Parts: sequence; C-alpha cells; structure tokens
Amino acid sequence: GENVEQHPSTLSVQEGDSAVIKCTYSDSASNYFPWYKQELGKGPQLIIDIRSNVGEKKDQRIAVTLNKTAKHFSLHITETQPEDSAVYFCAASGTDTGRRALTFGSGTRLQVQP
Amino acid sequence: NAGVTQTPKFQVLKTGQSMTLQCAQDMNHNSMYWYRQDPGMGLRLIYYSASEGTTDKGEVPNGYNVSRLNKREFSLRLESAAPSQTSVYFCASSRAHEQFFGPGTRLTVL
Repeated sequence: GENVEQHPSTLSVQEGDSAVIKCTYSDSASNYFPWYKQELGKGPQLIIDIRSNVGEKKDQRIAVTLNKTAKHFSLHITETQPEDSAVYFCAASGTDTGRRALTFGSGTRLQVQP
Repeated sequence: NAGVTQTPKFQVLKTGQSMTLQCAQDMNHNSMYWYRQDPGMGLRLIYYSASEGTTDKGEVPNGYNVSRLNKREFSLRLESAAPSQTSVYFCASSRAHEQFFGPGTRLTVL
C-alpha cells in the first residue's frame, strides 16, 4: 500500500518568513495530493491540492509543487502570519473510486512567532 | 449546511464495553470514511464506503465494524473496546476528490 513520509515534524518561523513542508510517497499510481490544515480541537480542512498532471499550483500565499519522477511534493507558505500556526498534513491517493481513500503523512506542527 | 456532523464529541468507556460512533453528512456525497488520529501520527483509515451499500476495510480495521445506513449516515461500532482504541475518530465524506471532515470524537478506553 501507499506510504507517505512528511518532514519536518515541527517548524518554527518568524512572522513574515516563508515555511516549507516536504512529503514523499511510495505508490507511483497515486495521482492526487492534498494538503490539510488542522487547528486545535478541529477536523482537518483542505487548503490546497494538486493532481499528477500539474507541477505547481498557487493560491494566494500558499503553493504546492509536485515532482512525480522523484515522488515528492511540497507545501510553501509565504509571508507567514500567526493565524497560519496549526498542524499541516500531506496526503496521497488515487482518483478512481476504489482508491480515493487518503494516506496521510504524520503531520508538521507550524508555529509562527509574532 | 451543517457539513459533516459527529456524535458524541467525547466518550469514556471501560474495557470490554461497546459503543457506536455516529456520522452524518448533508452534502449528498457518495463516499464516506472513518479515520483515527493518534498523537504524533497522521490520520489512519479504518473503513470507507465508496457508495451506499458498500463498505471496505482500510489500514486499521481490526476491532471495528461499520454500517452505511443510507447515503447520509455512516456509523462506526466498537464491539468490545480496548485501551488501544483510545484515539480521536474523524468521519469524512467526499463526492469526488476533496474530503470534508467532521469535528471528531475523542474516545478514551480505561
């Protein structure tokens, strides 16, 4: 089955700096890669996703890059703000109906210092 | 739109007791999922239901059963709770790729 590894486990940055979180996956058949943000006491919420036919995707201050050959993808947050502090999870799945269940990385706790 | 709702929010059980975690979604999604989240780990899939009337095992199904009652509801049952099942349980639903998560149930088994 799929295995997703995520680094670092914790990340502390100063407000305004950039933050980068990296993930690798093992199953070359995976073709959907979402990123979730989880705030304390809440369920994960999708912040951005990318499919295997795209190398990069941006949404305001966040961007995701995908390297299918190397089987890794990364989340980039620019101009970080205190409200970006949360746990971030990467995940991978196939896109056909039977394989849409997500395999998650172990999470990165991001702390943005004011 | 309430999205995905879960009940109860918190539960404490003794070893050997049984209980059912309830999940409902009002987004007309076909697929529903149950995950557990343990400290320092990502969410792990317990069971999923790709459509009404079907269920399949995920990564960690032992000790659990599920029922897809109808399109809206997907319940998770612990027949004989064990301390290893202490965790936070999340239900999710999806129509296509994006999964929407409920607020979770924090379960402690003593």
